[in-house]
Amino acid sequence: GAVVSQHPSRVICKSGTSVKIECRSLDFQATTMFWYRQFPKQSLMLMATSNEGSKATYEQGVEKDKFLINHASLTLSTLTVTSAHPEDSSFYICSARGPGGASGELFFGEGSRLTVL
Amino acid sequence: SQQGEEDPQALSIQEGENATMNCSYKTSINNLQWYRQNSGRGLVHLILIRSNEREKHSGRLRVTLDTSKKSSSLLITASRAADTASYFCATDQYSGNTPLVFGKGTRLSVIA
Repeated sequence: GAVVSQHPSRVICKSGTSVKIECRSLDFQATTMFWYRQFPKQSLMLMATSNEGSKATYEQGVEKDKFLINHASLTLSTLTVTSAHPEDSSFYICSARGPGGASGELFFGEGSRLTVL
Repeated sequence: SQQGEEDPQALSIQEGENATMNCSYKTSINNLQWYRQNSGRGLVHLILIRSNEREKHSGRLRVTLDTSKKSSSLLITASRAADTASYFCATDQYSGNTPLVFGKGTRLSVIA
């Protein structure tokens, strides 16, 4: 089946630094990818929809200047947490629709755990 | 935004018992999916049920869907300690290129 890969799986950084998380569709092209955030013992909350070649669409309450999303190719979307603070510590998960476009199955990356000290 | 609620939020049972989790949602859907997540890990896709289906089985899993009530249930039979995890339902609208919308989840603890 289609595979979505995230990197890094874990990252620890100091407060004030920026962290980039990559989401790759390994064997299919994804014009749209989705980024979720999950705080401990909570569900996945959609942060933004990443569109190849255009600006991302952010959910209400998500700061676009803090969570920069770049979807420069059909197989790669990146999420950069800028000037990270401890409250940004979370599990970030991306997903993408597999072959079949809008009706294709959604595949999830393995997630990236960010810890900001 | 989240689609709906799941209940119970937490469930603790003895090994061998059945576990039932419920999920409600708000909008029309194309399909509903159930996922499992072990603590600190990624999602594991369990089962997908389409809007024109009412029941589906996979091993020890049984999922029902009632589109008139906008609800679904996940039954795990003969539970094992290894089933301990969080379980989430997620709805897929297939309306344009839309994301899955997750419920709040149920934390299941199976005691050996």
